[in-house]
Amino acid sequence: DAGVTQSPTHLIKTRGQHVTLRCSPISGHKSVSWYQQVLGQGPQFIFQYYEKEERGRGNFPDRFSARQFPNYSSELNVNALLLGDSALYLCASSLEWLTGFDEQYFGPGTRLTVT
Amino acid sequence: DAKTTQPPSMDCAEGRAANLPCNHSTISGNEYVYWYRQIHSQGPQYIIHGLKNNETNEMASLIITEDRKSSTLILPHATLRDTAVYYCIVRQTGANSKLTFGKGITLSVRP
Repeated sequence: DAGVTQSPTHLIKTRGQHVTLRCSPISGHKSVSWYQQVLGQGPQFIFQYYEKEERGRGNFPDRFSARQFPNYSSELNVNALLLGDSALYLCASSLEWLTGFDEQYFGPGTRLTVT
Repeated sequence: DAKTTQPPSMDCAEGRAANLPCNHSTISGNEYVYWYRQIHSQGPQYIIHGLKNNETNEMASLIITEDRKSSTLILPHATLRDTAVYYCIVRQTGANSKLTFGKGITLSVRP
């Protein structure tokens, strides 16, 4: 079975532009979480979606938004890009709503560079 | 903020056991200890988790002290492919239980 897939793998954008990142969870997984990882730091939680509803949000500005589709895939959108948004964006899937008992499986990430 | 403290780096020889320490002195009763690792330029990989008993799987062993204030991840026979950043995470149970990563510990396995 395929693991978590993300597209694109790399992306270069200019300040002020908008970007959409995509994630397909493991088959049968209903929950998708997004994380941002800047160089030298651990991943930071952005959003969690379960059954197409937002279930959790980290400390990120409103320029960041996401949604989950009926097939459980997800998109992360970032508006008005800043240089500081340059990072590896990771998607993780899990079977159900995060309860602390479940394991999250991470995709390879999308490397976003903002110039 | 991360609720764990890890040294920034350590190394070990290939074939030897790697013992990675983690302090979590403020852990509460409903919080699990999770370990993930991240090999360069890849997404984090789940290793193991535990509440208060020692745990073992095909990848590693997790030893949690009786007072649960610290733990050790043991890779019994480290290989070069185990070179990675290892994250120790204290995770609440219940709704919206996200993973809160710190900076982790960089393990370098030398030939």
